[in-house]
Amino acid sequence: QVRLVESGGGVVQPGRSLALSCTASGYTFSNSGMHWVRRTPGRGLEWVAAISHDENEKFYADSVKGRFTISRDQNTLYLQMKSLRTDDAAVYYCARAWSGDLKNAFDIWGQGTMVTVSS
Amino acid sequence: EIVLTQSPGTLSLSPGERATLSCRASQSISTSYLAWYQQQPGQGPRLLIYATSSRATGIPDRFSGRGSGIDFTLTISRLEPEDFAVYYCQHYGSAPLITFGPGTKVEI
Repeated sequence: QVRLVESGGGVVQPGRSLALSCTASGYTFSNSGMHWVRRTPGRGLEWVAAISHDENEKFYADSVKGRFTISRDQNTLYLQMKSLRTDDAAVYYCARAWSGDLKNAFDIWGQGTMVTVSS
Repeated sequence: EIVLTQSPGTLSLSPGERATLSCRASQSISTSYLAWYQQQPGQGPRLLIYATSSRATGIPDRFSGRGSGIDFTLTISRLEPEDFAVYYCQHYGSAPLITFGPGTKVEI
């Protein structure tokens, strides 16, 4: 069964850091490009970052560029978040690019991990 | 950046009825890069439709998509109880310019 499971969410103060993980199972992780997407009550779904299967390409939304870093190894996707702001609070999802290509739609999603940014 | 607008914001219908959801882009987009997702409370989104009209694996044929240019539509021909959820359209294919619409809630 193809599955993605996020972890690492929690409560963090503004300006601090937090690292999210996404563990993949049931398929060959190294063949697939991956994304992070977040959801907030006010802004809905927002694409955050993407990484190609071989890590040669990394892309970021303007709102997180310079503060967030996407990476991967083995069967795990990561999102290192620094200088967190209150508007980074969201449920964060990892998602797989269909057929591995970052140009494709997102065919598998995790259940999400919640990040709360509050003093 | 392409902005996607969805209407209506909320659609109140009964099981067995037909649902028509609209997604409008701020500029013309390729039909190859328009997708629809369904999200249930507490779950991640589920891919329903990609490339405007292709159903994803395992998606029942009561879900269909169409459109071109700036106007795209998701139709659910006969609503089942499990179809009451939030639906998002997405323009993909061009990271970092991937965008989602604000969503349409289909409620009973």
